[in-house]
Amino acid sequence: DIQMTQSPASLSASLEEIVTITCQPSQDIGNYLSWYQQKPGKSPQLLIHSATSLADGVPSRFSGSRSGTQYSLKINRLQVEDTGIYYCLQGYSAPTFGAGTKLELK
Amino acid sequence: EVQLVESGGGLVQPGRSLKLSCLASGFTFSNYGMNWIRQAPGKGLEWVASISSSSSYIYYADTVKGRFTISRDNAKNTLYLQMTSLRSEDTALYYCARHRDNSFDYWGQGVMVTVSS
Repeated sequence: DIQMTQSPASLSASLEEIVTITCQPSQDIGNYLSWYQQKPGKSPQLLIHSATSLADGVPSRFSGSRSGTQYSLKINRLQVEDTGIYYCLQGYSAPTFGAGTKLELK
Repeated sequence: EVQLVESGGGLVQPGRSLKLSCLASGFTFSNYGMNWIRQAPGKGLEWVASISSSSSYIYYADTVKGRFTISRDNAKNTLYLQMTSLRSEDTALYYCARHRDNSFDYWGQGVMVTVSS
């Protein structure tokens, strides 16, 4: 199985700050990478698919990128409603999620 | 509006069986692959099983292979997960999710399964 190493495990940032979360797969996954946000007591919500494509209805301050085998989710100008847990997911083979990043406001 | 509504969860003893359902609406169900994903209390997300739009392709996580069966009835717009030989480690919130663009673009609200004596 492909392992997804997600970092950091937790993150505290200020309003309007730029936040970056990364995922590193244990083997090549091409662009089969998506990002999700989960708020307490809610279902996960798709943010980014195919590594860099913004999902429908997701604010443009969210973006995804790939540099070699490392994938990143960037949040520009952090807002209050962006707190929650973020997960990456590889869909290249049997799907596996990263362990999650808990994002809080400082 | 796309909606996925899970049902069938509850408290079950170890070794027993349970069948989950996911009723889909707001889209052409028969055009999409579907998935089950679970989340143990306070833990992360774990993919459980996938089924293609016509049921031709089915995949399972190693942790449930041989015990769980995913199926669908396109005429009823419903996805199923038959769970047998349940273990305490199967205790989780089970989500159904639609597959699109190699991602899970819509999720249900989840249904809780608790395996305990």
